[in-house]
Amino acid sequence: SYELTQPPSVSVSPGQTARITCSGDEMPKQYTFWYQQKPGQAPVVVIYKDTERPSGIPERFSGSSSGTTVTLTISGVQAEDEADYYCQSVDSSDTSVFGGGTKLTVL
Amino acid sequence: QITLKESGPTLVKPTQTLTLTCTFSGFSLSTSGVSVAWIRQPPGKALQWLALIYWDDDKRYSPSLKTRLAITKDTSKNQVVLTMTNMDPEDSATYFCAHRRNYLDTGYRGFDYWGLGTLVIVSS
Repeated sequence: SYELTQPPSVSVSPGQTARITCSGDEMPKQYTFWYQQKPGQAPVVVIYKDTERPSGIPERFSGSSSGTTVTLTISGVQAEDEADYYCQSVDSSDTSVFGGGTKLTVL
Repeated sequence: QITLKESGPTLVKPTQTLTLTCTFSGFSLSTSGVSVAWIRQPPGKALQWLALIYWDDDKRYSPSLKTRLAITKDTSKNQVVLTMTNMDPEDSATYFCAHRRNYLDTGYRGFDYWGLGTLVIVSS
């Protein structure tokens, strides 16, 4: 079955740039979505269709794609960005899959 | 305004069947391209997609769980029901339902609205 691979953890100091990657064989053919999840809360979309940012999401969140890897970039990280981040996509039959999640720690 | 709310038992015994209901408002599951999914998250672990039902009653299931899952909808009641058979303690998790907007023209295959989730514990 289709799998998405994320690093388990990323740590940055406030004001620095955090980059979280997500790799999967179907990446070039299907859009990827990124979710932020804080403890005890439901996930929230921060990037959709690889690079689009929903209204209400700060401009410091951006997405990019290259080959079989997509990247979530958070520029000028703030303490409030500390959370778990998940990528999600689909395979050719529209079966969804989530990555294993990345814990972002703001030092 | 789109809202979703999960409901069901908090505690189930091993080997029992779990039935969860997602009651939603603010959209119709008879609108072309719209779908509703179930996603779960064991304590301290990652999200796991389980199943999806489309506006036209087509369905998709997680390959690893498809023999145990069934998803149905009642459009008149604005509800989606997930059943999972032969429950095991490893199925203990928070279960979320989520809305997926019309993907037909937009290619949007993510989940834009989520319920708060319902915790299910499997224990004898």
